[in-house]
Amino acid sequence: GAVVSQHPSWVICKSGTSVKIECRSLDFQATTMFWYRQFPKQSLMLMATSNEGSKATYEQGVEKDKFLINHASLTLSTLTVTSAHPEDSSFYICSARDGRDKQYFGPGTRLTVT
Amino acid sequence: GNSVTQMEGPVTLSEEAFLTINCTYTATGYPSLFWYVQYPGEGLQLLLKATKADDKGSNKGFEATYRKETTSFHLEKGSVQVSDSAVYFCALSDRTGNQFYFGTGTSLTVIP
Repeated sequence: GAVVSQHPSWVICKSGTSVKIECRSLDFQATTMFWYRQFPKQSLMLMATSNEGSKATYEQGVEKDKFLINHASLTLSTLTVTSAHPEDSSFYICSARDGRDKQYFGPGTRLTVT
Repeated sequence: GNSVTQMEGPVTLSEEAFLTINCTYTATGYPSLFWYVQYPGEGLQLLLKATKADDKGSNKGFEATYRKETTSFHLEKGSVQVSDSAVYFCALSDRTGNQFYFGTGTSLTVIP
């Protein structure tokens, strides 16, 4: 079946630095990818919808200058957390939608900002 | 490795019908199990969860029981409503919560 990978799976960074998270669809092309954030013991929150070759659409309350999303190809979307702070520590999950509108999720990336 | 398999959709039911969406999993260790729902145009929302064998998660009339012997976590609702039309995702996380594994989703349409 279709596979979505995320890299890294776990990252620790210092406050003020930037972190890039990659989301790849390994065996299908995804014109649309989604980025979610999950706070402890809470549901996933959609952060943004990423369409290949165009600017991402951010959900209300998500700072687009802080969470930079680039969907440069049909198999890769990246989320960069800029000037990270401890409150950005969270679990970030991406998903990718194939040509039949089925959605496949990555395993997630746990970010810890110290 | 860990994985989740849920029934293919789409599923179309009449209002007040009984709903079952099957979900089975493979996992090492003792995962936590979840059902998420995605309403049209929205992100995923946690519907219910269970963290150990024989636990029953329930919310909004939906139920699912963590069955270790059959490695299943089937979602049920006794009487569906039009407003239940959505895509439902089964998922598991390992004990650390560091990785999630989602099923591919089952689209449910309830007609009046």
